[in-house]
Amino acid sequence: EAQVTQNPRYLITVTGKKLTVTCSQNMNHEYMSWYRQDPGLGLRQIYYSMNVEVTDKGDVPEGYKVSRKEKRNFPLILESPSPNQTSLYFCASSSPRTYEQYFGPGTRLTVT
Amino acid sequence: QKEVEQNSGPLSVPEGAIASLNCTYSDRGSQSFFWYRQYSGKSPELIMSIYSNGDKEDGRFTAQLNKASQYVSLLIRDSQPSDSATYLCAVNEANPWGNSNYQLIWGAGTKLIIKP
Repeated sequence: EAQVTQNPRYLITVTGKKLTVTCSQNMNHEYMSWYRQDPGLGLRQIYYSMNVEVTDKGDVPEGYKVSRKEKRNFPLILESPSPNQTSLYFCASSSPRTYEQYFGPGTRLTVT
Repeated sequence: QKEVEQNSGPLSVPEGAIASLNCTYSDRGSQSFFWYRQYSGKSPELIMSIYSNGDKEDGRFTAQLNKASQYVSLLIRDSQPSDSATYLCAVNEANPWGNSNYQLIWGAGTKLIIKP
């Protein structure tokens, strides 16, 4: 089954404790992206990647890092999480011919 | 600033009626247009893609595109309570050479409520 997976689905952590949210897709897509979604603010892009070793900032990259060492994986790293990073996070990948984006199930992160 | 605008709603529609959702966009070079459905706390799910002017039908859903007016809409016929969700409009960004790229510009979404 073609899909985007994310782990963990839920995470409660404390300020300053480094964490990684994993994202993996099995559709051989080159493009992948991370979004956060907060009430009333819609989807905001954090980082995206056009291919292996090619990443770029989105609209809200501060406090986040990414890496793209393999085509299928695009982990999101919070080196020192803060309460304002409490949010619902989505990973997505995009079909090269149609530009349709497919989303993972989401990760609900709470930073206390 | 490239934008996609949607009425935030909520849009309340009786069960069995037609729900009409609208979206306008600012990037004249956009070539690909998408409607996503999102239930509360869940991820966006692609329901329609449209790439050329006119109508595209898929079951109870019809997407309509008018590039001259920079307008795209989604009609849901025979609305069901399960259609109650937030509908996101997304439009792909055109690069400086007028070609499509992977980046999507997202609307804030319209909340649709289907009343039994």
